[in-house]
Amino acid sequence: AQSVTQLGSHVSVSEGALVLLRCNYSSSVPPYLFWYVQYPNQGLQLLLKYTTGATLVKGINGFEAEFKKSETSFHLTKPSAHMSDAAEYFCAVSGPGTGNTPLVFGKGTRLSVIA
Amino acid sequence: EAQVTQNPRYLITVTGKKLTVTCSQNMNHEYMSWYRQDPGLGLRQIYYSMNVEVTDKGDVPEGYKVSRKEKRNFPLILESPSPNQTSLYFCASRKGASGSYEQYFGPGTRLTVT
Repeated sequence: AQSVTQLGSHVSVSEGALVLLRCNYSSSVPPYLFWYVQYPNQGLQLLLKYTTGATLVKGINGFEAEFKKSETSFHLTKPSAHMSDAAEYFCAVSGPGTGNTPLVFGKGTRLSVIA
Repeated sequence: EAQVTQNPRYLITVTGKKLTVTCSQNMNHEYMSWYRQDPGLGLRQIYYSMNVEVTDKGDVPEGYKVSRKEKRNFPLILESPSPNQTSLYFCASRKGASGSYEQYFGPGTRLTVT
């Protein structure tokens, strides 16, 4: 069965500092990998995803993530944090294959940005 | 605008009183799914549907029912709600069967069962 571990339920950074949110997955085969963001009282919005090809994936709002198969990791980074980045972030895995391939989510990391 | 809508957004009810949470998508997506989000547990799948009249259980289906009579709608039914179903619920849809497709999420329904 697939599983996702997000290290750190709460991460706090200063405005302008590097954002690093960690995600490790467990899967018998390379899965599809996703990062979603959830702002207060809103649904989940896709930041970026990895399916095949280039292992460094760029997403919206300046975020990027790198798929490292040897480390079973998919960490999310952003060079310079903005106040508007404060939200909860979820790493998720899916697939591969077709049929019911639900998103299996990590428990989430709440990002706080300090002025 | 492509979107998934849910109603109601907030609901407070009492134990045993049947309720339905509606979900609708306007993207002609085949695959739809319901998740519940609980603090410290992330999101877990309740039920999913691969297409019209095709539904099946996810990881936490107990106490829930669904139906898929039309492609755009996927209501979640709680026939006899209990306090342990107090949660934040999300409906999601995606284009097709492949897990590589992005899932689009609704805004959520916060349910409280007293």
